[in-house]
Amino acid sequence: ETGVTQSPTHLIKTRGQQVTLRCSSQSGHNTVSWYQQALGQGPQFIFQYYREEENGRGNFPPRFSGLQFPNYSSELNVNALELDDSALYLCASSLDLIGETQYFGPGTRLLVL
Amino acid sequence: KQEVTQIPAALSVPEGENLVLNCSFTDSAIYNLQWFRQDPGKGLTSLLLIQSSQREQTSGRLNASLDKSSGRSTLYIAASQPGDSATYLCAVKNDYKLSFGAGTTVTVRA
Repeated sequence: ETGVTQSPTHLIKTRGQQVTLRCSSQSGHNTVSWYQQALGQGPQFIFQYYREEENGRGNFPPRFSGLQFPNYSSELNVNALELDDSALYLCASSLDLIGETQYFGPGTRLLVL
Repeated sequence: KQEVTQIPAALSVPEGENLVLNCSFTDSAIYNLQWFRQDPGKGLTSLLLIQSSQREQTSGRLNASLDKSSGRSTLYIAASQPGDSATYLCAVKNDYKLSFGAGTTVTVRA
C-alpha cells in the first residue's frame, strides 16, 4: 500500500505566475484535503474534495482552486502568485469525510520571489 | 471559529525526562483530536487519534488524553530520547476540516 505522494517537492516561482501542485491519495481513500503551512505556523485548511466534488473551503481567495480526478488524485492551482503564498503545501487523504485519520504527504515547498 | 493553542511553544529537556505537551481548543463540538509529529521541512506523521467519545489513547511511550468539555488535550512522552526532537502539532476536527495549533518544538539533549 503506497502512502500519499506529492509533486513537485520544491518549486520557485515569481510574483504573478501560476502554479499547479499534485497529490496522489493513499490507496482506497476518496477524500483529499489541502493545507497551507507558513513558516513557524500550523497548517491552515484550504479546501477538501470528496468524490470529485468540493466539500468545504477555508478562508482562501478564489485564485486558489482545485480538482479531484476519478482515481481520487488531486491538484491545487494558485493563480496570480503573491509573495505571501510562499509556504509548505500539504495534501492529506482519508477513507471518508468524518471520523478517520488523515494521512499527510511530504508536502511541496513553494517559494515566490 | 475554532481556535487551537499549544503551550509551550518550545521545550528543551535532557534525555530521559518525561515530556508534557498541552493543547487547548475553543469549540468542544469536535469529531476527534489528532497529535502529529513534524520534522524540519517535512510532512506530518500521525501519532495518535482520539475520538470525541474517548478519554485517552496510548501507543508505546506516547499517551494522549482528551477532556472535551474543558477543551483540553495533553500529550505525554515517557523517557524522552534525542530522536523525539521535532515539532508536535495538535489538530481538532470539526465538520470536514482539521484546525491546527502552531505546535510545540521539542529538543531532547543527549
